[in-house]
Amino acid sequence: DTGVSQDPRHKITKRGQNVTFRCDPISEHNRLYWYRQTLGQGPEFLTYFQNEAQLEKSRLLSDRFSAERPKGSFSTLEIQRTEQGDSAMYLCASSPLGGHTDTQYFGPGTRLTVL
Amino acid sequence: KQEVTQIPAALSVPEGENLVLNCSFTDSAIYNLQWFRQDPGKGLTSLLLIQSSQREQTSGRLNASLDKSSGRSTLYIAASQPGDSATYLCAPGREAGKSTFGDGTTLTVKP
Repeated sequence: DTGVSQDPRHKITKRGQNVTFRCDPISEHNRLYWYRQTLGQGPEFLTYFQNEAQLEKSRLLSDRFSAERPKGSFSTLEIQRTEQGDSAMYLCASSPLGGHTDTQYFGPGTRLTVL
Repeated sequence: KQEVTQIPAALSVPEGENLVLNCSFTDSAIYNLQWFRQDPGKGLTSLLLIQSSQREQTSGRLNASLDKSSGRSTLYIAASQPGDSATYLCAPGREAGKSTFGDGTTLTVKP
């Protein structure tokens, strides 16, 4: 088991461009979460999936953001028309079921810089 | 809305010292609470998970306690080492494993 992986690790883009990030969770983990973290702050919840179903989206996830998990395995997070305020670390985590005893396992993150 | 506060924001100690990191949260209706470690520019590593029905958990030199009714948790690190230097994040979790994070305590352990 290689843990949660994220790709790319770093992305620099110009304002107005679209970007897409990928997350591969630990195999057989049903729950997948996306968080956003800015410098000096803790991660903020964006959205989560139970298998392929997206069950909740934070108010932070504007209509420029879309996330998918098409076959209940990997997930993608797309940001359209990026803005400088989107610059942050985007973290993905997975857990077996999301129950009381389930630890969340985090990936290394994708650092986005919008110029 | 859950609010999580971690005190102190930064802490510097000499090697070998025992220390306590504090976390408080406003909504006691939690399923569990996790403590994570984050190294600069990296993802998060889970250290300990305490279920809402538990009072504490231990792993090696780490001990975490939970007082759900008062909305408090502490992380105790014994005999600190330079390798413990990192940011420590507290995250009370609600249903479906969704967690709210504090802004962390940045620990520096000096050799």
